[in-house]
Amino acid sequence: GNSVTQMEGPVTLSEEAFLTINCTYTATGYPSLFWYVQYPGEGLQLLLKATKADDKGSNKGFEATYRKETTSFHLEKGSVQVSDSAVYFCALSKGPGDYKLSFGAGTTVTVRA
Amino acid sequence: GAVVSQHPSWVICKSGTSVKIECRSLDFQATTMFWYRQFPKQSLMLMATSNEGSKATYEQGVEKDKFLINHASLTLSTLTVTSAHPEDSSFYICSARETGGSFYGYTFGSGTRLTVV
Repeated sequence: GNSVTQMEGPVTLSEEAFLTINCTYTATGYPSLFWYVQYPGEGLQLLLKATKADDKGSNKGFEATYRKETTSFHLEKGSVQVSDSAVYFCALSKGPGDYKLSFGAGTTVTVRA
Repeated sequence: GAVVSQHPSWVICKSGTSVKIECRSLDFQATTMFWYRQFPKQSLMLMATSNEGSKATYEQGVEKDKFLINHASLTLSTLTVTSAHPEDSSFYICSARETGGSFYGYTFGSGTRLTVV
């Protein structure tokens, strides 16, 4: 079945550092890939998505590229801020007609001033 | 934007009692809602898919008689944990997909922390 393997945390960084969170997936066909973010005390929010190979999702300075050859969707940000401290979840779905999301374990990121 | 309200945000109950968790879409209609469970430092695990006006679809290994789901309207789904026991303590999260909206239009509630003592 579908599964997502996500880099374990926690990750602690200094402000303006480069952030990478690795995510690989196992799925049949051509799944859609997502990154969700959960800020303290809040629900999950969609950060970015990609629906086909080589698509790049981007939002708020974060980027992730759908790499089918390596079955990966790594999240990157060039210069993190304290406000980026949150839990980040990689997720996939099979696509239209199947709305279930399969999540990775989540990575806690803490950015220090 | 779309907002999903989940209530309560936390609850403590005695073993053997039942607890109801509500998930409301505040400004959109949701034919389909999802219920997840999250253990500490673990992933969100889909428990069931809730469909308005019909029976919920439970994932393998989830006891339908223990986790009762009702989706009686296009804006409300409820999860009732019946005869709760300490092993049911967990973080429960709902999400809703806007009817007719973008396939990617999932909106999540803020979660409910259940502690059974």
